[in-house]
Amino acid sequence: GQQLNQSPQSMFIQEGEDVSMNCTSSSIFNTWLWYKQDPGEGPVLLIALYKAGELTSNGRLTAQFGITRKDSFLNISASIPSDVGIYFCAGANTGNQFYFGTGTSLTVIP
Amino acid sequence: KAGVTQTPRYLIKTRGQQVTLSCSPISGHRSVSWYQQTPGQGLQFLFEYFSETQRNKGNFPGRFSGRQFSNSRSEMNVSTLELGDSALYLCASSFGQFADTQYFGPGTRLTVL
Repeated sequence: GQQLNQSPQSMFIQEGEDVSMNCTSSSIFNTWLWYKQDPGEGPVLLIALYKAGELTSNGRLTAQFGITRKDSFLNISASIPSDVGIYFCAGANTGNQFYFGTGTSLTVIP
Repeated sequence: KAGVTQTPRYLIKTRGQQVTLSCSPISGHRSVSWYQQTPGQGLQFLFEYFSETQRNKGNFPGRFSGRQFSNSRSEMNVSTLELGDSALYLCASSFGQFADTQYFGPGTRLTVL
């Protein structure tokens, strides 16, 4: 199945730094979702985006739906140790099947 | 509101056996999607059920099957288990409108020996 290009694959940052990651697709999507997954657990929804150009925040997290509808970005400001985990993007077009990114592994160094 | 629940959380089987996994969606959700997650392949879509009908299907062999009941609870069955079926199996529920937000359960960790 289709997988989205998510980058970077991994990040090692100092506590307090800001983080940026993105996803790109060859297809146009109507919905972009961002999830965080801890080891052995299911992904937890962070932010949902439904409109091109939409910018949505959830605490220190901000995500944007790219205007081309083929990309999305997630920013984390002032990272803290509990931000550690794997972040996934997911996109869907007119159907109800979501395609997932390969994940960004985030390590925060105290 | 209770989240998505999956049972069992952990399962160990041997090659050739079959297994049934269960998923209870969020109350009011009518769509259940199943995914297989492995370190090498990431999240792979298995199938989606909506109102007891399979609406979407991924590229998995026929050994993988599912069903959905009238209360929206869903089961996934894998027959003739292979070593490569070891994975975290996740289900996600949504109201079922197109491109609707999906909420994941904690997953079932299946190990095939």
